Amino acid sequence: EAQVTQNPRYLITVTGKKLTVTCSQNMNHEYMSWYRQDPGLGLRQIYYSMNVEVTDKGDVPEGYKVSRKEKRNFPLILESPSPNQTSLYFCASSLSMSGQLQETQYFGPGTRLLVL
Amino acid sequence: AQKITQTQPGMFVQEKEAVTLDCTYDTSDQSYGLFWYKQPSSGEMIFLIYQGSYDEQNATEGRYSLNFQKARKSANLVISASQLGDSAMYFCAMRSYSSASKIIFGSGTRLSIRP
Repeated sequence: EAQVTQNPRYLITVTGKKLTVTCSQNMNHEYMSWYRQDPGLGLRQIYYSMNVEVTDKGDVPEGYKVSRKEKRNFPLILESPSPNQTSLYFCASSLSMSGQLQETQYFGPGTRLLVL
Repeated sequence: AQKITQTQPGMFVQEKEAVTLDCTYDTSDQSYGLFWYKQPSSGEMIFLIYQGSYDEQNATEGRYSLNFQKARKSANLVISASQLGDSAMYFCAMRSYSSASKIIFGSGTRLSIRP
């Protein structure tokens, strides 16, 4: 089954404790992206990757890191989480974002993060 | 700057009625695409419908249609014969040619269907 998976789905942590949220897709997609969703703000892009070893900042990259060493995986790293990073996080992938505009993104199930 | 605006934070509609969810956008690009996504209470994001800026016809997908008014820069989602399962958060999104690597989202509309 074609899908984007994220782990963990739920995470409670404390300020300053490094964490990684994994994202994996099995569709051989070139493009992957991370978003955070907050009430009243919709989804905002954190980082994206056009292909392996190619990453770029989105609209809200502060406090986050990413890497794309393999095509299928795009982990999101919070080196020192803070309470304002409490949010719902989505990973998404797309075949390519350099082609047709109608190329939509496939979303993972989301990760709910609470930073105390 | 590119922007998506959804002015209805929440809506209540009676089952079987049609409902229109508003979306206006701002871009200086001539080539762009507009998307609608549904997010049920379970949290996943479900793609509903797409409209390209050069598409001559309004997009339709089953009970979903997109009322695209280019001059007004609006792309409203119309759901016909609403069902209880339509209760969800709905997001309008846009991808522009000059920023093709990004999709920007509106703040969403929470739709509740009354039985």
